Amino acid sequence: TQLLEQSPQFLSIQEGENLTVYCNSSSVFSSLQWYRQEPGEGPVLLVTVVTGGEVKKLKRLTFQFGDARKDSSLHITAAQPGDTGLYLCAGAGSTLTFGKGTMLLVSP
Amino acid sequence: DAGVIQSPRHEVTEMGQEVTLRCKPISGHNSLFWYRQTMMRGLELLIYFNNNVPIDDSGMPEDRFSAKMPNASFSTLKIQPSEPRDSAVYFCASSFALSGNTIYFGEGSWLTVV
Repeated sequence: TQLLEQSPQFLSIQEGENLTVYCNSSSVFSSLQWYRQEPGEGPVLLVTVVTGGEVKKLKRLTFQFGDARKDSSLHITAAQPGDTGLYLCAGAGSTLTFGKGTMLLVSP
Repeated sequence: DAGVIQSPRHEVTEMGQEVTLRCKPISGHNSLFWYRQTMMRGLELLIYFNNNVPIDDSGMPEDRFSAKMPNASFSTLKIQPSEPRDSAVYFCASSFALSGNTIYFGEGSWLTVV
């Protein structure tokens, strides 16, 4: 079983702060996806990273795939209350394997 | 375009009752997934179908759980009999293929078994 560990589990910050959340595994994935899940909703795809070392930017969000394709990070610059949600990483194998997520709360 | 549609959104039932959750995938998608989400275990894959055929049901907790996909536009997840530990949010998701493509989730069915 391919396991994905996400850290931290919970993060509570003030608007305007920067943060980084992590997704780690002992397994190599062909690609890795990040999802955001808002309360009462299903997860929604933010980005897919495929190449080791790849960096993708989505406005204030920066995603990086580790060189060995075993880990990834998500950095948010100047967080806003609208960024609040559960951030899930998922590794692609025969199907997607999800981490348990990082719950982010951004307070005004 | 309509997304993945799940029903019911919320269900409260008594222990021992049968529960049926329904899902309509996005039109044209050939893969369908049933997930269960809890605080303790996160998002777990229960079963997935490809072209209406169950491919892997190893995530189904026990024989009380069953899933069917009689056609490309409909799937059900049934729990009989239900138990309090089955309380969770059940998500249906669909995609164009088993892996490598975006999975689109429904809004979930919130199940509480008392």
